[in-house]
Amino acid sequence: GAVVSQHPSWVICKSGTSVKIECRSLDFQATTMFWYRQFPKQSLMLMATSNEGSKATYEQGVEKDKFLINHASLTLSTLTVTSAHPEDSSFYICSAKTGGKGYTFGSGTRLTVV
Amino acid sequence: AQTVTQSQPEMSVQEAETVTLSCTYDTSESDYYLFWYKQPPSRQMILVIRQEAYKQQNATENRFSVNFQKAAKSFSLKISDSQLGDAAMYFCAYRSPYGGATNKLIFGTGTLLAVQP
Repeated sequence: GAVVSQHPSWVICKSGTSVKIECRSLDFQATTMFWYRQFPKQSLMLMATSNEGSKATYEQGVEKDKFLINHASLTLSTLTVTSAHPEDSSFYICSAKTGGKGYTFGSGTRLTVV
Repeated sequence: AQTVTQSQPEMSVQEAETVTLSCTYDTSESDYYLFWYKQPPSRQMILVIRQEAYKQQNATENRFSVNFQKAAKSFSLKISDSQLGDAAMYFCAYRSPYGGATNKLIFGTGTLLAVQP
């Protein structure tokens, strides 16, 4: 089946630095990638939707300049958390449309900002 | 805008017993898709079952089945013969049938299911 590989699975960074999270579709072309944020024991909150070759569409309240999304190819989408602060610590998950009505999710990235 | 509500934050079931997780949604669309996803402690999202609104027949996948009541906008998940591996957070989700950004999934708040041996 369709697989999305997400890296890193966890990362610790210092406050003020930037962190890049990658999601790669391994055996299909991901024209659309969704990026979610999840706090402990809470639901997935959609941050943005990216389509290959175009600018991402951000949900209301999500800072575009802080959460930079790039979807330059059909197999790679990246989320960069810029100038990270402790309040950005969270679990980030990507999800790709796999054609038809299906979606496949990455395994998530636990970000801790110290 | 569409919303998805899961009114049971936590549920518990004995191993081998049956449990039903509730989900209601609000939409003005006549056609749409509904999903149940499982998120175990690993936090990997796993599709459990999917239902197309235009299909009257309830979807089933082995021990998992849904009770889809379109008029009531209800979409409950029944897990039969519960197993320890069923312990997870379960999310109900809605998707519009239309293309573009509206293809996003709208998730409920989740139900944490515990399975007692």
